[in-house]
Amino acid sequence: RKEVEQDPGPFNVPEGATVAFNCTYSNSASQSFFWYRQDCRKEPKLLMSVYSSGNEDGRFTAQLNRASQYISLLIRDSKLSDSATYLCVVNPNRYSSASKIIFGSGTRLSIRP
Amino acid sequence: NAGVTQTPKFQVLKTGQSMTLQCAQDMNHNSMYWYRQDPGMGLRLIYYSASEGTTDKGEVPNGYNVSRLNKREFSLRLESAAPSQTSVYFCASSEDSYSDSTDTQYFGPGTRLTVL
Repeated sequence: RKEVEQDPGPFNVPEGATVAFNCTYSNSASQSFFWYRQDCRKEPKLLMSVYSSGNEDGRFTAQLNRASQYISLLIRDSKLSDSATYLCVVNPNRYSSASKIIFGSGTRLSIRP
Repeated sequence: NAGVTQTPKFQVLKTGQSMTLQCAQDMNHNSMYWYRQDPGMGLRLIYYSASEGTTDKGEVPNGYNVSRLNKREFSLRLESAAPSQTSVYFCASSEDSYSDSTDTQYFGPGTRLTVL
């Protein structure tokens, strides 16, 4: 089993739709979690951190389910500009050097007009 | 404040040639990383440096060497390039000072390397 797994997609949804991705992780001791966004031929950029209580940033909501070992990203009222690849990132131990940060392979999202 | 910069942006090498990818950050971050990204494989860590003067192997270090020249700069060297090293290479940095939200990684724009 991969340490971090994501559905590669592509998810092809109409503008205005709500879309959700999940990401599962295998290390139950993992401590910090992130969603990064990567546009085509660009570098990954932090979208949001994922906190235990869940967090929201505008149209984006991230949640953590430790019991089932997954994190989720929900995008409401999707825009054309949301088209990108979304990378799930898991850090098993934020209080050590970050050598074991694991990136998922990414979920590709395409928003159509 | 340029963030993380990488040079070159593109490079074509012949098998057996050597080259060094340069990376610099101006955010006073402690940790720096080199990743490669291949289709369907996600980002894989090649080497990282938790602080100036230290380097450690990541998941895929074979065929590469690194130097943490100072706190700002972290270079990646391919001594004898092979076609399997054709990839997009990203450098990243993070603060890692044991306080909240400091393990966010900031990436450079990448180097697209082709080895013929």
